[in-house]
Amino acid sequence: GQNIDQPTEMTATEGAIVQINCTYQTSGFNGLFWYQQHAGEAPTFLSYNVLDGLEEKGRFSSFLSRSKGYSYLLLKELQMKDSASYLCAVSPNSGGGKLIFGQGTELSVKP
Amino acid sequence: DAGITQSPRYKITETGRQVTLMCHQTWSHSYMFWYRQDLGHGLRLIYYSAAADITDKGEVPDGYVVSRSKTENFPLTLESATRSQTSVYFCASRAGSVGNQPQHFGDGTRLSIL
Repeated sequence: GQNIDQPTEMTATEGAIVQINCTYQTSGFNGLFWYQQHAGEAPTFLSYNVLDGLEEKGRFSSFLSRSKGYSYLLLKELQMKDSASYLCAVSPNSGGGKLIFGQGTELSVKP
Repeated sequence: DAGITQSPRYKITETGRQVTLMCHQTWSHSYMFWYRQDLGHGLRLIYYSAAADITDKGEVPDGYVVSRSKTENFPLTLESATRSQTSVYFCASRAGSVGNQPQHFGDGTRLSIL
């Protein structure tokens, strides 16, 4: 089965850096996705990792360690618009294109 | 416009009624999914489909029925709605089953059952 853990809430200051962690236990693994979801809106894709290491996309980076079952999303130069929920999702190798989502981390960016 | 659309955006109904949520995508993606999102539970998979006429149960399928007669449509039916099915429902589609192809989500249907 799969079990995905993320912190429920985090608070950070505008202009700062924040790291959102995700740990997972899965019987099979085809990669890990991060999504952003603003209140009242649909989740939108941020990043994908399948190999160990860091993937950088502008202000956002995502890291994966397969041996440790661990990922993090790093947000730099925080802006007020980054206040949102960040969802970690594992793609299991059981097929069907499914994603198994964590409960999400609610990030509040303060001035 | 291309994309994935859900209808209705908002729905209020009564317990025991049948209600159908619609999902339509224009990308010809093979895979489609239905999730519900509730406080404290995140996104939970209800049903998914790998192609037309192929559907499978997800984590929380009880009380729901799906069909997929055409690749672009994936309706979700609550046969006899219960208050516990009050939730936000998201439909998603994905081009392939593996790799870096993400799921793309519709805007959601906010369903209240009185």
